[in-house]
Amino acid sequence: DAKTTQPPSMDCAEGRAANLPCNHSTISGNEYVYWYRQIHSQGPQYIIHGLKNNETNEMASLIITEDRKSSTLILPHATLRDTAVYYCIVRVSYNQGGKLIFGQGTELSVKP
Amino acid sequence: DVKVTQSSRYLVKRTGEKVFLECVQDMDHENMFWYRQDPGLGLRLIYFSYDVKMKEKGDIPEGYSVSREKKERFSLILESASTNQTSMYLCASTTLGRGGTQYFGPGTRLLVL
Repeated sequence: DAKTTQPPSMDCAEGRAANLPCNHSTISGNEYVYWYRQIHSQGPQYIIHGLKNNETNEMASLIITEDRKSSTLILPHATLRDTAVYYCIVRVSYNQGGKLIFGQGTELSVKP
Repeated sequence: DVKVTQSSRYLVKRTGEKVFLECVQDMDHENMFWYRQDPGLGLRLIYFSYDVKMKEKGDIPEGYSVSREKKERFSLILESASTNQTSMYLCASTTLGRGGTQYFGPGTRLLVL
């Protein structure tokens, strides 16, 4: 599985957009990019995933560069409840049943 | 909404006790997983199952066993709990296919004294 690199921490003002970057320069053509977040002492929560095209859902937008070597998760209007550790993961679907390998993630602090 | 539930959020057990952690998913997913999460070590896969009565070892299966008698239920068993099994245990299930999505339960924080 491709390795990802994320900044260890970021701050964001409440109501502003939070842009979380992720580098995955060794990504293969069939590997998807997944984003999860984990609020303290809870299970990871799925946010969004994509292969090549940009994706948007009710939680966030995912922008993947044309060469697929990096991506950005965008929370359009961050709230205090978005304070969490955000994980960017790339994987091939069926390695060990599709297990996920979580890195250290980015600790996002949303401040009033 | 996909729902993965775990039988307990917090559990305290004594060394040597047999411990059962249960996980139920309501989306008819074939694949289910048990991970443990420890500070600085990330999530590590203990066991996974891709069908009823089928199981495969993950990266750290020692000291654990699993059971999958029904498609929706995946149980993790600690035959004789030890203090180094104090951890956060996370169950997950996944849709199949390329780009399948994995959903996690709320986690069970186990303390072994």
